[in-house]
Amino acid sequence: DGGITQSPKYLFRKEGQNVTLSCEQNLNHDAMYWYRQDPGQGLRLIYYSQIVNDFQKGDIAEGYSVSREKKESFPLTVTSAQKNPTAFYLCASSPDRTVTDTQYFGPGTRLTVL
Amino acid sequence: GQQVMQIPQYQHVQEGEDFTTYCNSSTTLSNIQWYKQRPGGHPVFLIQLVKSGEVKKQKRLTFQFGEAKKNSSLHITATQTTDVGTYFCATLYQAGTALIFGKGTTLSVSS
Repeated sequence: DGGITQSPKYLFRKEGQNVTLSCEQNLNHDAMYWYRQDPGQGLRLIYYSQIVNDFQKGDIAEGYSVSREKKESFPLTVTSAQKNPTAFYLCASSPDRTVTDTQYFGPGTRLTVL
Repeated sequence: GQQVMQIPQYQHVQEGEDFTTYCNSSTTLSNIQWYKQRPGGHPVFLIQLVKSGEVKKQKRLTFQFGEAKKNSSLHITATQTTDVGTYFCATLYQAGTALIFGKGTTLSVSS
C-alpha cells in the first residue's frame, strides 16, 4: 500500500525540548516538503528537498532543521529556538523536482508544546 | 514576493446553493493547483490549470484560470454536505521547485 506516513498523529512536548517528526514515503518520489498549518494561515513552507542529501529553506525555516539521508525519509526537527512550535505539521512529496505535478500529503502530526 | 490571495476566508451556505472561491495574484502565474482539506484531514489534490482561460470540470466543480493568468476560481454547483472543508489554491514559486499556498476558503454547508 503506497503513500506517505507521518508519526505520531499527536505529539506533546515540554517547552525547551527538541522534537523530531517523522515522514516516510514509499512512492519513490524525488521531492519532499514540510509545511506548517496554523488556523487561518493556510500552509507555510518550512523546508523542502529535491534530492537525497540536499534541501532548501522555505519561508519559515527558523527554529527548524531537516535531513534527507534516504530518498524515502525526510524527518523534521523542531528545535527549542522555534518561538511558537504548537501547530499542525504536514509532510508532502512530489514525483519530480519541479512540482509540475500534484503534491501528495501525509496525514499530519499535531504538535502541542506545553 | 510571490503571493496568492484567496477570498472569502469563510463561506456558509445552505445545501443546494452554489459556492465560489477566488484566488488572485498581482503577478502572472505559471500554474494554479487546487486542493481540498476536509476537517481534521490533510490536503488532497483536486486539479491543475496551466493555460490562459482554461476551464475544467469535475462533476459539480468548475475550475477556471483567468485570461491574464492572474486569477482563478473554483465554483461548486448545488453544494452538498460532503463539500465541507477548506479549499486552497497554490502556485509555483522558488524557480518552480516549491508551491506557495493561499490561506484557503473554509466552506460550511447546512442541510
